[in-house]
Order: sequence, then C-alpha cells, then structure tokens
Amino acid sequence: DAGVTQSPTHLIKTRGQQVTLRCSPKSGHDTVSWYQQALGQGPQFIFQYYEEEERQRGNFPDRFSGHQFPNYSSELNVNALLLGDSALYLCASSLGDRGRTGELFFGEGSRLTVL
Amino acid sequence: GENVGLHLPTLSVQEGDNSIINCAYSNSASDYFIWYKQESGKGPQFIIDIRSNMDKRQGQRVTVLLNKTVKHLSLQIAATQPGDSAVYFCAENEDDYKLSFGAGTTVTVRA
Repeated sequence: DAGVTQSPTHLIKTRGQQVTLRCSPKSGHDTVSWYQQALGQGPQFIFQYYEEEERQRGNFPDRFSGHQFPNYSSELNVNALLLGDSALYLCASSLGDRGRTGELFFGEGSRLTVL
Repeated sequence: GENVGLHLPTLSVQEGDNSIINCAYSNSASDYFIWYKQESGKGPQFIIDIRSNMDKRQGQRVTVLLNKTVKHLSLQIAATQPGDSAVYFCAENEDDYKLSFGAGTTVTVRA
C-alpha cells in the first residue's frame, strides 16, 4: 500500500521563477493538504483540496495556488519565487468524510531552495 | 503555529528512561490534538491523537495527556530508545480542516 508520494524531492530555483510540486495521496484517501515547513519550524498550513476544490486556505499570498485532479492527486504552484519561499513543502492526505481533520499522512516533502 | 507552543526546544534523555514532552495551546475551541514525530529528512509521522472529551490516551510506549483547564498537552514516551531521537510536534485542530503546529522539541537519546 503506497503512502503519500511527492516529487521532486529536491529542486533549486532562482528568484522570480515559478515552481510546480506534485503529490499523490495515500491509497484510498481523497483529501490533500499542503504545508510549508521552514528550517527549524513547524509546518504551516497552505491549503486543502477536496473534491477538486480548495476547501480551506491558510495565510499565504495568491502566489501560492493549487489543483486537485480527479484521481485525487494534487499540485502546488508557486509563482514569482522569493528567497523566503525556500522551505520543505509537505503534502498530507486524509479522508475527507471523517469530519474535521482526522489523521493526516505526510509525504517526505519537496525541498525547495530559492537562490 | 502561533497558538501552539512547546515548553522546551530540546530534550536530552538517557536511553531506557521515560521522556515527557510538553505543549501549551491557547485556543480553547480546539477539540482535537495530535503528536507527530519527524526524523531528519522525513515528513512528520503520526504518533497518537486525542480528542477534547478525553484526558488521557495510551498507545504503544506512548501516552498523551490533555489538561483542558490549563490548555496543556504532554507526550510521555516510556523506556526511550535511540530510535526515538527526532523532533516532536504537537498540533491542534483549531479550524475545520487545518492543523496548527508548534515549533517542535528536539529529543536526543543518550546511549
């Protein structure tokens, strides 16, 4: 049973560029959440996707956008990259019908470095 | 993670001893709390959770205690092992679909 898979694992971009990160949820899960984890900090909620719609959003600018596909996989897009966007981006999956958050299963993350 | 904090950023414990990791939260409306373990280079891994209608919940070698009166959460690890070395995060479900994480406690197990 595959867990949450993310790609790429590492990438380097320069300021002003755009990046797309991908996530496949755990088998049987239909909800995907994205978190940003800066070095030495706890994860910060970016947004959650359920039934191909953004269900809730954290305190992140519009440069951060996402998408969920019919197979429940998801993408996180970040435009106009800033140095401060350097972080580990975590994808987490869950079952959307379990009421509030339920148990989240995290992937290993995509490490983004912006130069 | 503004509403969730950990009392100590680091904890050093002798192998075989019990570990206690503390967490304070400020949102009295939160009704679901989770402890995660994050090893270097990996994503957070679920350890145990507790809902606000409970005071205590036990798992394998771990116990979570919730004191709603003082808004305090703790994770107890029995007979700490070298594999328990990691960063531990408490998280609260203060909003419908979002978890708020604290900054984490780094646990180092001494042989």
